[in-house]
Amino acid sequence: QVQLVQSGAEVKKPGASVRVSCKASGYTFVNNYMHWVRQAPGQGLEWMGIINPNDGGTTRYAQKFQGRVTLISDTSTSTVYMEVNSLRSDDTAVYFCARDGSSSGLAAFDIWGQGTLVTVSS
Amino acid sequence: EIVMTQSPATLSVSPGESATLSCRASQIVSGLVWYHQIPGQPPRVLTSGAPSRATGIPDRFSGSGSGTEFNFTISSLQSEDLGIYYCQHYSNWPPVYTFGQGTKLEIK
Repeated sequence: QVQLVQSGAEVKKPGASVRVSCKASGYTFVNNYMHWVRQAPGQGLEWMGIINPNDGGTTRYAQKFQGRVTLISDTSTSTVYMEVNSLRSDDTAVYFCARDGSSSGLAAFDIWGQGTLVTVSS
Repeated sequence: EIVMTQSPATLSVSPGESATLSCRASQIVSGLVWYHQIPGQPPRVLTSGAPSRATGIPDRFSGSGSGTEFNFTISSLQSEDLGIYYCQHYSNWPPVYTFGQGTKLEIK
């Protein structure tokens, strides 16, 4: 079945970087854009960025994350990576990858990964 | 920047009753999506484009509205409907995917 499986929880110190992976299966990887969304503890959902795996990885980022977040796609392994640099305590959150369903007929984030908790603490 | 505002913040409804959630956009939007999230799980898409339900979503869930005012109605509420409901402005161009702050649905 269609699924996105993310890498495990991370604990990082302030100023460090973190890379979270999201491996897709059950569909043609290059046919759908991929988003990243984060959710701080007890808070709502915040869109971070989008990557097109099909064209060498064209990306767009929310202004808040521009310059500090990088999205990369690896078509050989059907995996998207999200890297956040210069981590701060307020980056502590669950990070989700989510497939864009528009090319599959649904203009929404139609498949979500299970989430990866990133904790930033000294 | 488009701001999505949901109301109420919390809604408590008895099983079998109906619940209506609201979402207001600060500007006219064309793409509006509703998600449901149970704590500890990722969100799940319910409807896209206001009235269109995602695959497998029962017809007791329905979205409506246009422009800046949108509603989401759950009829015959069941215990598994508890959680947080988010609206989202969805636009591929320009790429804007702003979420509302959520409405927490409690079952009495």
